[in-house]
Amino acid sequence: RKEVEQDPGPFNVPEGATVAFNCTYSNSASQSFFWYRQDCRKEPKLLMSVYSSGNEDGRFTAQLNRASQYISLLIRDSKLSDSATYLCVDNQGGKLIFGQGTELSVKP
Amino acid sequence: NAGVTQTPKFQVLKTGQSMTLQCAQDMNHEYMSWYRQDPGMGLRLIHYSVGAGITDQGEVPNGYNVSRSTTEDFPLRLLSAAPSQTSVYFCASSTPYRDQGEQYFGPGTRLTVT
Repeated sequence: RKEVEQDPGPFNVPEGATVAFNCTYSNSASQSFFWYRQDCRKEPKLLMSVYSSGNEDGRFTAQLNRASQYISLLIRDSKLSDSATYLCVDNQGGKLIFGQGTELSVKP
Repeated sequence: NAGVTQTPKFQVLKTGQSMTLQCAQDMNHEYMSWYRQDPGMGLRLIHYSVGAGITDQGEVPNGYNVSRSTTEDFPLRLLSAAPSQTSVYFCASSTPYRDQGEQYFGPGTRLTVT
């Protein structure tokens, strides 16, 4: 079983839609998680950290459920520029364990 | 700051050849790492370093060597290239506080082994 697993995708949504990605992790001792964004054939870039209390950054909301060992990312009012692959990451003391990524395509 | 730089951007090797992928950062980051990315697999950690002179293995270290003689540089060596090493390779660095988690990635090296 992979340490970090994500929804398979791809997600094809119209502009303005709300879309949610889920991710599960297997290491119950993990404390720190992130969402990274990767545009086609480019390097990953940090989108946001995931805190136990949940956190919001504009149209993006990340939540962590430790009991069920899953992480979510909610994107509201999708824009064309949100089209990318979203990577769920378990930070194990600086060693990043990546999920396989979920592709999002936002259409006009 | 240039951030994290990688050379070359593209490389084609024949099976059995050796080469070194270069990675450098100018942010004085202690932590550096190498990942490979294959279709449908996400990024997988190859080797990492927590500071000059210290390296350790990641998830998929076989066939690769690293060294860290300076804070700035972290080269990845392929000893005898195999077609299974065809991939996109990313180098990353992060702040001295490992738990912060934000790693800065280089633009990647696209390697094809024939």
